[in-house]
Amino acid sequence: AQKVTQAQTEISVVEKEDVTLDCVYETRDTTYYLFWYKQPPSGELVFLIRRNSFDEQNEISGRYSWNFQKSTSSFNFTITASQVVDSAVYFCALSPYNTDKLIFGTGTRLQVFP
Amino acid sequence: DAGVTQSPTHLIKTRGQQVTLRCSPKSGHDTVSWYQQALGQGPQFIFQYYEEEERQRGNFPDRFSGHQFPNYSSELNVNALLLGDSALYLCASSWWGSSKGHYGYTFGSGTRLTVV
Repeated sequence: AQKVTQAQTEISVVEKEDVTLDCVYETRDTTYYLFWYKQPPSGELVFLIRRNSFDEQNEISGRYSWNFQKSTSSFNFTITASQVVDSAVYFCALSPYNTDKLIFGTGTRLQVFP
Repeated sequence: DAGVTQSPTHLIKTRGQQVTLRCSPKSGHDTVSWYQQALGQGPQFIFQYYEEEERQRGNFPDRFSGHQFPNYSSELNVNALLLGDSALYLCASSWWGSSKGHYGYTFGSGTRLTVV
């Protein structure tokens, strides 16, 4: 079975704190893709990052960074120095190699207070 | 450059009725996928259309059907509505040629369907 688990339902932090959103996935495929999307209150899903299963190199983009570890089937997302504008629901998703569909986790609601 | 446009934004229907949701893909995109997002849940894949044909389908009953037009726009139809069909329906467009990378996935803001 293919599945994405985001155990943190909701996280609240104060502005400028660092926060890590956890994502654990299950798949028997050797080739797959992992994603993070942001969903603001307006509803649309905003693409943040894509990783393929052969690229375990961590990535940093501004205040965002991602830690991909195949050994633990995790793809965690860290926001450094959080800002109020980071408040949203964040989804981790898995896409098997032979399909375009995305398998989403249940999301983590992040609230950043001033 | 317009992104993905969905209409209507909100809709209220009665149980047993039929509904049609519409999606115009981003300029340059030729593939449309539909997702259902129940409250507090992640989106679930319904189906994908390319070249006016359903290419992939998720685990949804036949009450959910779709169509893609020559201009790449798409419709999602749901028959015999159930209370459990209440959800945010998201449309995502992409370019078929984007080699599984999904870089081209652009999501619309969705249609909020309430079944009473």
